[in-house]
Amino acid sequence: GQNIDQPTEMTATEGAIVQINCTYQTSGFNGLFWYQQHAGEAPTFLSYNVLDGLEEKGRFSSFLSRSKGYSYLLLKELQMKDSASYLCAVRGASGYSTLTFGKGTMLLVSP
Amino acid sequence: EAGVTQFPSHSVIEKGQTVTLRCDPISGHDNLYWYRRVMGKEIKFLLHFVKESKQDESGMPNNRFLAERTGGTYSTLKVQPAELEDSGVYFCASSQKSNYGYTFGSGTRLTVV
Repeated sequence: GQNIDQPTEMTATEGAIVQINCTYQTSGFNGLFWYQQHAGEAPTFLSYNVLDGLEEKGRFSSFLSRSKGYSYLLLKELQMKDSASYLCAVRGASGYSTLTFGKGTMLLVSP
Repeated sequence: EAGVTQFPSHSVIEKGQTVTLRCDPISGHDNLYWYRRVMGKEIKFLLHFVKESKQDESGMPNNRFLAERTGGTYSTLKVQPAELEDSGVYFCASSQKSNYGYTFGSGTRLTVV
């Protein structure tokens, strides 16, 4: 079966650093995605990891450990506009290109 | 480049009625996906088109749901007859190749009353 867990909510302060964790158990693995979704808008692509290690892209970084079934998204220098839902999604080898999503982590950035 | 377009953005219908959702993918994207998010749950896969062919429809909940992509351009998802549990946000996404990341549309929020 497929199971992806991430915290429901997180809060942080403007300018701070926050780490959003994601653990997964899936039948097959062909990459892990992070998406950002503001209320009422489309999920937008943030990062993709298929090999172990850290991928850095500006203020956002994503880490993957395949042996532990674990990923995190790191957001630095938080801004108010970073308040959104962050979705962890895994592409399973058996599902061609189908994504299995977690429920999302709602991040609230306060002044 | 225009993004993935979905309409309507909102639809409220009565139980037993029919609703048709439309998705226009990014031009040139052969792969088109439908996903759904029911309130309180995660986004779940419904089906995947490659051009006009259904590559994978394992996520379609039952035969009240019919998806088409005639001509391999836009796609429609029809729910007939709608039930209360069909309420949710229906997302469409497209990609140029199947192993690429997706671009999502903003979704259609369907409410069945």
